[in-house]
Amino acid sequence: GESVGLHLPTLSVQEGDNSIINCAYSNSASDYFIWYKQESGKGPQFIIDIRSNMDKRQGQRVTVLLNKTVKHLSLQIAATQPGDSAVYFCAFTTSGTYKYIFGTGTRLKVLA
Amino acid sequence: EAGVAQSPRYKIIEKRQSVAFWCNPISGHATLYWYQQILGQGPKLLIQFQNNGVVDDSQLPKDRFSAERLKGVDSTLKIQPAKLEDSAVYLCASSWGSGANVLTFGAGSRLTVL
Repeated sequence: GESVGLHLPTLSVQEGDNSIINCAYSNSASDYFIWYKQESGKGPQFIIDIRSNMDKRQGQRVTVLLNKTVKHLSLQIAATQPGDSAVYFCAFTTSGTYKYIFGTGTRLKVLA
Repeated sequence: EAGVAQSPRYKIIEKRQSVAFWCNPISGHATLYWYQQILGQGPKLLIQFQNNGVVDDSQLPKDRFSAERLKGVDSTLKIQPAKLEDSAVYLCASSWGSGANVLTFGAGSRLTVL
C-alpha cells in the first residue's frame, strides 16, 4: 500500500537494538496519553497508554515514560524487530473532553 | 469483537464532485470520531460525536464537509464540492466515551481528488 509519513522525521535502528521515540505536548492539562503504531495502508493501532498519575508503564517489549515537568513523552522499544517498522504517533487528551490530539509522528526503520 | 468498519477503502474523484464515507464503530462505543490524515502528517480531528450529538466540530470545514450519526451508531462523512487539498485518508475511530479511553481506528478511506 501507499506509504504513510513520507516527510516525517525518521529513526533508523539496527535490528535487535533498542529504539526511543519522543513526543512533546503543550497542554499541561493533558492527563491521558497513548502511543499508536501505523503501518502502511492501515489505521493507527494501539500500543500502550499512560495516565498522568504515573511516570512509567511497561508492556511487552515497550515502555512509555512521561515527564510532566517538561511535557515530554517517550516510547522505548526493546530488541527492535523488522515488524516494528512503521510510523509512531503519540496522542493526548484531557479527561472530560475525549478530544485526542495527535503528534506529528516518527517513522521507524529497522535495518537488518 | 469486530473492529471499526469503513468504506469505501479507496475513492478517486474530480474536483468539485462529491463523495461520502461510511463508518460503523465498535458495538457499544458511544463516542465516534472522524480524522483527516494528509500524507506525512498526524491525524487531525474533523468532528467528534457523543452518541448522536456533536461534541466538537470546530475544525470541520463546514462550507464543504458535513457529517451525521443518526441513531447514535454508524456515521457518514460527506464532502461537497471536493477540492484538491481534500486528498487524504479519512479515519474513523470510536471509544467507550466515559472518561479517557483508547481510540480504536478503522483502516481508513483514501481519497484522491484530481
